Amino acid sequence: DAGVIQSPRHEVTEMGQEVTLRCKPISGHDYLFWYRQTMMRGLELLIYFNNNVPIDDSGMPEDRFSAKMPNASFSTLKIQPSEPRDSAVYFCASTVGRAYEQYFGPGTRLTVT
Amino acid sequence: GENVEQHPSTLSVQEGDSAVIKCTYSDSASNYFPWYKQELGKRPQLIIDIRSNVGEKKDQRIAVTLNKTAKHFSLHITETQPEDSAVYFCAANYQLIWGAGTKLIIKP
Repeated sequence: DAGVIQSPRHEVTEMGQEVTLRCKPISGHDYLFWYRQTMMRGLELLIYFNNNVPIDDSGMPEDRFSAKMPNASFSTLKIQPSEPRDSAVYFCASTVGRAYEQYFGPGTRLTVT
Repeated sequence: GENVEQHPSTLSVQEGDSAVIKCTYSDSASNYFPWYKQELGKRPQLIIDIRSNVGEKKDQRIAVTLNKTAKHFSLHITETQPEDSAVYFCAANYQLIWGAGTKLIIKP
C-alpha cells in the first residue's frame, strides 16, 4: 500500500479564497482523522470519521471549515473563505480502530496571504 | 473537559544519557496510550504504545510505563543518539486528545 495520500502537498492562496484539501486513507482502514498543526497551537484534532460518517467535529474551529467523506477511499477538508490564521500544516491519518496506530499522510502546508 | 498534560515542553540531554517525558491524563476510560515521534518537516509516526492491562513495555532503547491509578504514563529513551532529536507526542482518550509535544534535543 502507498500509505495515506494527501494532496496538494503545498497550497498558497489569497485571503477569501476557497481551499480544498484531499486525503486518501489506507485501504481497509475505517477511521479517518484530520489534524491541524501550528507552532502556537501544536497538533489539533479537527474531525474524525468512522465508516465514512463524521463522529466528532468539535475540533473544527468555525463554520468556515467543513469536511466530507463521500466514500471509504476519499475525504476532503474545505475552508471557505480562507484567512491568514488558517495557515498551518494539515494532516490526514487513518487507522483500523481508535486504539491502534494512526498512519499519517505527508501533510498539506497551507499558506494564506 | 478531558485533557492531556505533557512535560517538559523542551528537553535537552547529552548524547548517551537518558530522557524521560511524562503525560498525565484525566479520562478514566482511556486504555490505549501511544507515543508518536515527529522529526522536523515530517509526519508523526508511532514509536511505541501501551494498553491498560500492562504496566510497562520495552522496545530496544525505548520504553513506556503506565500508572493507571495516578493516570500518568511516561516515555523513556536510554542511550540517546542524535537521531532521537525530534518532537514527541503522547495521546489518550482513544487518541482524541493529544499532548502539546516535547521537543527533545540531543547534545553531541
